[in-house]
Amino acid sequence: DAKTTQPNSMESNEEEPVHLPCNHSTISGTDYIHWYRQLPSQGPEYVIHGLTSNVNNRMASLAIAEDRKSSTLILHRATLRDAAVYYCILIETSGSRLTFGEGTQLTVNP
Amino acid sequence: EPEVTQTPSHQVTQMGQEVILRCVPISNHLYFYWYRQILGQKVEFLVSFYNNEISEKSEIFDDQFSVERPDGSNFTLKIRSTKLEDSAMYFCASQRRGNEKLFFGSGTQLSVL
Repeated sequence: DAKTTQPNSMESNEEEPVHLPCNHSTISGTDYIHWYRQLPSQGPEYVIHGLTSNVNNRMASLAIAEDRKSSTLILHRATLRDAAVYYCILIETSGSRLTFGEGTQLTVNP
Repeated sequence: EPEVTQTPSHQVTQMGQEVILRCVPISNHLYFYWYRQILGQKVEFLVSFYNNEISEKSEIFDDQFSVERPDGSNFTLKIRSTKLEDSAMYFCASQRRGNEKLFFGSGTQLSVL
């Protein structure tokens, strides 16, 4: 599996933007970059995904480096409900093994 | 939005007993997964399933584990003889195509006593 590396934890203030980084230097050409988050006592929840171009949806934006070896999840205005563990994972087009890393615990301060 | 449904939400069993965890994936999805998460630890891949067969399995998924899609709608995980270390939250997920987003169920908390 291509591995991802994320900081263990990050902190933000409410209503401020948050940039969550992910390194994936061994990414292959067919790997999609996915982000999920997990709130306490819940299953992982899809946030966003992309292949090469930057992506925006109602939850977040995904900025992908030109060489695809890193990406950044951007929450434009953090809310208390965004406090969660955020996982960056790589998914092959074949959709077989998906490996979660340690993730980043995001704390949002009021 | 469509949901993946898992039952039961909690399961308590004695060590050595068989358990079956049930999942109803989203109806037009083709790829199915089981994951587990031991309390305080990361989410671990168990198995992926496509076209009525296992695509890939992890080291955790030994001979005590099996999966089945018996009727085209349910997707089950069976543990033949549970161990204490099988206590975890088990998540089912499904995906329409291999590069699209995964939908996760809310999990079954398995406690082995």
